[in-house]
Amino acid sequence: EAGVVQSPRYKIIEKKQPVAFWCNPISGHNTLYWYRQNLGQGPELLIRYENEEAVDDSQLPKDRFSAERLKGVDSTLKIQPAELGDSAVYLCASSAPGHDDVQYFGPGTRLTVT
Amino acid sequence: QQQVKQSPQSLIVQKGGIPIINCAYENTAFDYFPWYQQFPGKGPALLIAIRPDVSEKKEGRFTISFNKSAKQFSLHIMDSQPGDSATYFCAASSSGGGNKLTFGTGTQLKVEL
Repeated sequence: EAGVVQSPRYKIIEKKQPVAFWCNPISGHNTLYWYRQNLGQGPELLIRYENEEAVDDSQLPKDRFSAERLKGVDSTLKIQPAELGDSAVYLCASSAPGHDDVQYFGPGTRLTVT
Repeated sequence: QQQVKQSPQSLIVQKGGIPIINCAYENTAFDYFPWYQQFPGKGPALLIAIRPDVSEKKEGRFTISFNKSAKQFSLHIMDSQPGDSATYFCAASSSGGGNKLTFGTGTQLKVEL
């Protein structure tokens, strides 16, 4: 069974540029999460989707971050414009129906903003 | 406010030793306490988890000890191996809070030969 797929794996951009990350969850997993992991820290939730509905986006900086999961499967996280402080690893995770406590993480996208 | 405090930040043990990583939480609504293992360049992977109705859980060489009254839980790795060298994160969530995971800051474990 394929795991959570993320692309790109690495991205280097200049500040003020836009960037987008893509995630394809495990087949059948209806809950999708985006986390940000700063260097030397644990992941922090940015947004959680149940199917195509964002049910928790309280930690998403909405002035520059946006996310979508149009068909309830894959998802895109966008930053526009990026700031130096956005440099981090962006992790996507998914969980199966009725098993939200067990989250499977993708390998992440390492973003460097210069 | 950091709701899950993890220590130590880093740990070096000899092969066969028993590293112990500790976590403390504040939110009494937490009812699920997983440990994740993360290797460089990889996402965190669920290692073992416990709910507060038991005080200990073992899976292979990994054991969680849970103290509900002290609001603390710990991970013990028996007969540690160099392949266990990784970063370990404790986490906590509440079913009433949408199972949102709150992670600790991580412990970098190195197991030396």
